[in-house]
Amino acid sequence: AQSVSQHNHHVILSEAASLELGCNYSYGGTVNLFWYVQYPGQHLQLLLKYFSGDPLVKGIKGFEAEFIKSKFSFNLRKPSVQWSDTAEYFCAPPRADSNYQLIWGAGTKLIIKP
Amino acid sequence: EAQVTQNPRYLITVTGKKLTVTCSQNMNHEYMSWYRQDPGLGLRQIYYSMNVEVTDKGDVPEGYKVSRKEKRNFPLILESPSPNQTSLYFCASYSVNTEAFFGQGTRLTVV
Repeated sequence: AQSVSQHNHHVILSEAASLELGCNYSYGGTVNLFWYVQYPGQHLQLLLKYFSGDPLVKGIKGFEAEFIKSKFSFNLRKPSVQWSDTAEYFCAPPRADSNYQLIWGAGTKLIIKP
Repeated sequence: EAQVTQNPRYLITVTGKKLTVTCSQNMNHEYMSWYRQDPGLGLRQIYYSMNVEVTDKGDVPEGYKVSRKEKRNFPLILESPSPNQTSLYFCASYSVNTEAFFGQGTRLTVV
């Protein structure tokens, strides 16, 4: 079955630390890839997306992600986190049988200590 | 402003009392989906729709119904809610090669 794996369910960092959240999906082919963020008590919103072209994509609030096709990975990074980055982060590649339905990772809860 | 509107935001109901959660989008998206979000389980798709009058089951459809009579609306119907349907529900809409836009969520409690 198609799946997406987010390696860390909970991450606790201090402000100014660097962040990398892993995301691996279980199939190849052409994909559109997304990271979404959910701030406490809010709905999901897009953080960044990859459709084609440069595999290193930049999103809002200083986040970036790199698509490595050979590793089926789309890891999220930020060089220096802030307290306001406390949120839950979801990786969402599409199902291989349809490019329009997304598979959602279990999410990573990120807590930034001030 | 592009948006997905869900109502109500909060709902407490009793077991067996039919309810409907509405979802409306103003972006002319073909695709709409309903998800439930439970702690530790991420987002699970309940139903989705690829266009008017075209719907299909997601991963957890039992106990839910949907309809897509108009492109902008995609209501979620619980004919006979049970306590295990207590959850946070999100509606989303999207088109080919766009990101998903989410509603604000509906927190449902079934007692």
